[in-house]
Parts: sequence; structure tokens; C-alpha cells
Amino acid sequence: QVQLVQSGAEVKKPGASVKLSCKASGYTFARHWIHWVRQAPGQGLEWMAIINPSDATTSYAQKFHGRLTLTRDTSTSTVYMEVSSLTSEDTALYYCARDHSDNTHSWWFDPWGQGTLVTVSS
Amino acid sequence: SSELTQDPAVSVALGQTVRITCQGDILSRRYATWYQQKPGQVPILVIYAKDKRPSGIPDRFSGSSSGNTASLTITAAQAEDEADYYCNARDTGDDQWVFGGGTRLTVL
Repeated sequence: QVQLVQSGAEVKKPGASVKLSCKASGYTFARHWIHWVRQAPGQGLEWMAIINPSDATTSYAQKFHGRLTLTRDTSTSTVYMEVSSLTSEDTALYYCARDHSDNTHSWWFDPWGQGTLVTVSS
Repeated sequence: SSELTQDPAVSVALGQTVRITCQGDILSRRYATWYQQKPGQVPILVIYAKDKRPSGIPDRFSGSSSGNTASLTITAAQAEDEADYYCNARDTGDDQWVFGGGTRLTVL
């Protein structure tokens, strides 16, 4: 079955960087873009970025420009997201999700990874 | 970037029908997608391509759209439908996506 399995929880100090992984299985990795979405404690979902595993094309939410780097490893069907210059406001659950589209008016995320908790604390 | 606006909280009596709405200019050109998230769980897709349900989603969930408003309707709401619901759409003109702020549904 289609699965996205994310790396384990991280604890980082302010100013540090964190690199999260999302390993895909059960489908052709190159055929679906991968999104990253985060959710701060008690807050809503926030879209962060997307990567095309086929050619590594990326797009980042303007809010995060300059602090995010998405990469992929096609040999292991894994997508990585590095977040730099962490602050306490980056404490959140980070999800990856597979993209689907009808190529006209609708895009959707399915399935989602289990999430990775990142805690930023001094 | 564009915004999607949802009511923060909605309640419905058990067995009654409830509509959760999502408003935004981009919805006049894009279809909203709807996700359900229960406490401590990963979001799941409940409506995509305006009104399509993934397999496993009960047919009491339906989607619709009019102008710049998308709606998720739950007919004969059940206790297990109590959750947060988020709308999402791709922004126009660039590769950006946006979520609504979420609606907490309480089933009374």
C-alpha cells in the first residue's frame, strides 16, 4: 500500500537547523509531488513547500523563503526538508503528504505521513 | 498570497445536517479540498475535486461550491464526525497552496 514514513522526533536549540525525511513506498516515486505541511501545538495546518521528485523542482511558501531546503534521493524514494535558523515558533508537527491533481482545478494530499515532532527549546 | 476563511467552530445535533464553509477569492477558480483531523491523528482526505469522496469516506460527507465559497456538508452527523475540518486549495498564478484556519465541529 502507498505509505509515507517520516523520521523520528527532534529536539533542537534556537538557531540550529533540522533535516527531516519522508520515505515513500508503494508507488512510483517520481510520479507524485510531495508537500510539507506543519501544525504548531493547538494550531491549524500550514502549507510549507512542495518538491517534484522527478526533477527536484521546488516551491516554498513565501513565509519560509530562505529557511527551507527540499531535496530528494531517488535511489531511496526519500524526500528531505531542512529548516534553518530555528526559533521556538518552529516547534510543530511536520507532515509530508503526496500530491494528486486533476491538472485543472483541484489538487489534494493523500496519504499523509505520520508526522515528525520538532521541538525548539534552549 | 491568498487566504481561505473558515468559521472557527460549528456545532450540530446528533443526526442533524451541518454545513462547514470556506471562503476565498481563489475558490472562484479552484476547487477546495477538505481534510478531517481528529485529536492526535493525522489529517485524512474527505472531499476532493469539489465533490468526490475517497474510498472509505461515508456518503454522508458531500462537497459543493458556489462562487468564492466551498462547502462541506455532513448529513445525519454522527458522534465520530466530531473533528477539525480544514479546507485547502492551490493558489492561482504560482506553486503555492493555502489552508483555511480550520473549523472545529462539535456533535451534541
